[in-house]
Amino acid sequence: RKEVEQDPGPFNVPEGATVAFNCTYSNSASQSFFWYRQDCRKEPKLLMSVYSSGNEDGRFTAQLNRASQYISLLIRDSKLSDSATYLCVVIRRGSARQLTFGSGTQLTVLP
Amino acid sequence: GAVVSQHPSWVICKSGTSVKIECRSLDFQATTMFWYRQFPKQSLMLMATSNEGSKATYEQGVEKDKFLINHASLTLSTLTVTSAHPEDSSFYICSASRSGTSGTDTQYFGPGTRLTVL
Repeated sequence: RKEVEQDPGPFNVPEGATVAFNCTYSNSASQSFFWYRQDCRKEPKLLMSVYSSGNEDGRFTAQLNRASQYISLLIRDSKLSDSATYLCVVIRRGSARQLTFGSGTQLTVLP
Repeated sequence: GAVVSQHPSWVICKSGTSVKIECRSLDFQATTMFWYRQFPKQSLMLMATSNEGSKATYEQGVEKDKFLINHASLTLSTLTVTSAHPEDSSFYICSASRSGTSGTDTQYFGPGTRLTVL
């Protein structure tokens, strides 16, 4: 079983739609959680950190459920520029800050 | 913001040659850098952790004699793919870890190097 699992998609949604991505992690010692965005043939870029209390950044809302080892990302009012692959990333406690990436969920926002 | 550069951005080489990729932190010192590899439609896989002034730590399944890592200064780590073969063709990405004022670390990624071995 992969340490971080995501639905690969693709998700094809119309502009303005709300879309949600889910991610599960298997290692209960995971201590830090992030969503990254990766555009085609580019490096990943940090979208937001994920906290137990949930956090919001504009149209993006991230949630963490430690009991279920589950992370989510909600995108409201999606824009064409949101089209990318979204990577769920965790850091295990004691792992020297090594990032473990999920395989990514591909999103295409259609006009 | 912090910037990490990689050079070259893309390289095409013949099978059997060696290729060196540089990763530089441009405006901060990085005691730890990470090297990742990403095959098409797959996620980033950590290859090794590069520590300034000491030997790199390789992930299971990554041959240390094939992927040579040198982290000789606080701003530069290099990855050399020795005797490259077509199956080594991939997108190689480095990241550098920077300590923040609140005690948390943030990783900044380089733009990646696309290697094609013919």
